[in-house]
Amino acid sequence: EAQLVESGGGLVQPGGSLRLSCEASGLTFRIFWMSWVRQAPGKGLEWVANIKEDGTETNYVDSVKGRFTISRDNAKNSLSLQMNSLSPEDSAVYYCARFDFWSGFPGMDVWGQGTTVTVSS
Amino acid sequence: DIQMTQSPSSLSASIGDRVTITCRASQSIARHLNWYQQKTGKAPKLLLHAASYFQSGVPSRFVGSGFGTDFTLTISGLQFEDFATYYCQQSYSPPYTFGQGTKLEIK
Repeated sequence: EAQLVESGGGLVQPGGSLRLSCEASGLTFRIFWMSWVRQAPGKGLEWVANIKEDGTETNYVDSVKGRFTISRDNAKNSLSLQMNSLSPEDSAVYYCARFDFWSGFPGMDVWGQGTTVTVSS
Repeated sequence: DIQMTQSPSSLSASIGDRVTITCRASQSIARHLNWYQQKTGKAPKLLLHAASYFQSGVPSRFVGSGFGTDFTLTISGLQFEDFATYYCQQSYSPPYTFGQGTKLEIK
């Protein structure tokens, strides 16, 4: 069974940095795009970033461009999100998700349980 | 960026009812529309991709339709386990924006 497990969340001061990780098992990690999605407390879902199978292409939502970096290590079945210059608006549960394609139509069909990031002084 | 607008934002219904949630894109996205279900404290679950194609294991009472800018998710014969929040998401181009969500509650 495909499984994703996030880690690395916690409390960080405004302006600080945090690195999230997502470990994959039960799926051939290297052949899938992967995404990060976040959800602020009591709010809706926000797609944050995704990365191509080989790491050569990435996309970001405008609000995190230049501050967040998505990366992957296919040898370790691992996805990361480096978050810098954090602000309280970045406080959220962060999910990693498999970004799969069905006949050219993508969707996120496997999700982790989420890791919570709180940005506060 | 493509904006996704869902309506209603909340909906109250009874077991056995039929409900419809709509999602409108700010520009044409062809059939690049996904529907997710999220229960409190849980990760989202992909229900439908390409506007109307079921993910494995999704009951047939969930029906999606639409093309271009206007889409609907209809749930027929509501079951207890269907009370949750539903999100549409465009998968046409990044950033892959979500609608604001529709909370389906028991009447």
